[in-house]
Amino acid sequence: GNSVTQMEGPVTLSEEAFLTINCTYTATGYPSLFWYVQYPGEGLQLLLKATKADDKGSNKGFEATYRKETTSFHLEKGSVQVSDSAVYFCALRPKAAGNKLTFGGGTRVLVKP
Amino acid sequence: EAGVTQFPSHSVIEKGQTVTLRCDPISGHDNLYWYRRVMGKEIKFLLHFVKESKQDESGMPNNRFLAERTGGTYSTLKVQPAELEDSGVYFCASSQVHGPTGELFFGEGSRLTVL
Repeated sequence: GNSVTQMEGPVTLSEEAFLTINCTYTATGYPSLFWYVQYPGEGLQLLLKATKADDKGSNKGFEATYRKETTSFHLEKGSVQVSDSAVYFCALRPKAAGNKLTFGGGTRVLVKP
Repeated sequence: EAGVTQFPSHSVIEKGQTVTLRCDPISGHDNLYWYRRVMGKEIKFLLHFVKESKQDESGMPNNRFLAERTGGTYSTLKVQPAELEDSGVYFCASSQVHGPTGELFFGEGSRLTVL
């Protein structure tokens, strides 16, 4: 079946540090890949997505590249801010699955000033 | 335009009691989904409505869970009787399109604590 594995948190960083959250997946075919973010007290928000191999999703300074050969979709940001403190979820959606997403366990990120 | 709203934001009940969670999707979104995150683990799909019809309920854990969407607008998710392992965050999402181009919009979630 489909599954998503992401690094466990919490990840604690200082402001302006480099952030990487690893995400690997198992799926048949070539699913679409997503990163969702949940800020404190808010709902899940789509952060970025990629729908085919070698696509790069980007938003708010975050980037992730769809790597078919390593079945990965690692999230990166070059310089984090306190406002990036949140829980980040990697997810996949098989092409035939409509909006039925498979999520990873989430990674809590805490950025200290 | 209002987003997906969920009520209550947090509910604390005792084992054996009943709880009903409500979700109001974005107006005009025929597709409504329930997901949940239990014990801080991964978020899992529960079910999918298209208007008032259950399209896919493969993720519903057992018959203590009942989801309805009468009239195809808001949805309720009832847990009866609640067990300790039902504690977690229940997310509702809606979309206009069910497919590769459809974007899911999530609510803030309803946190359920069963004591």
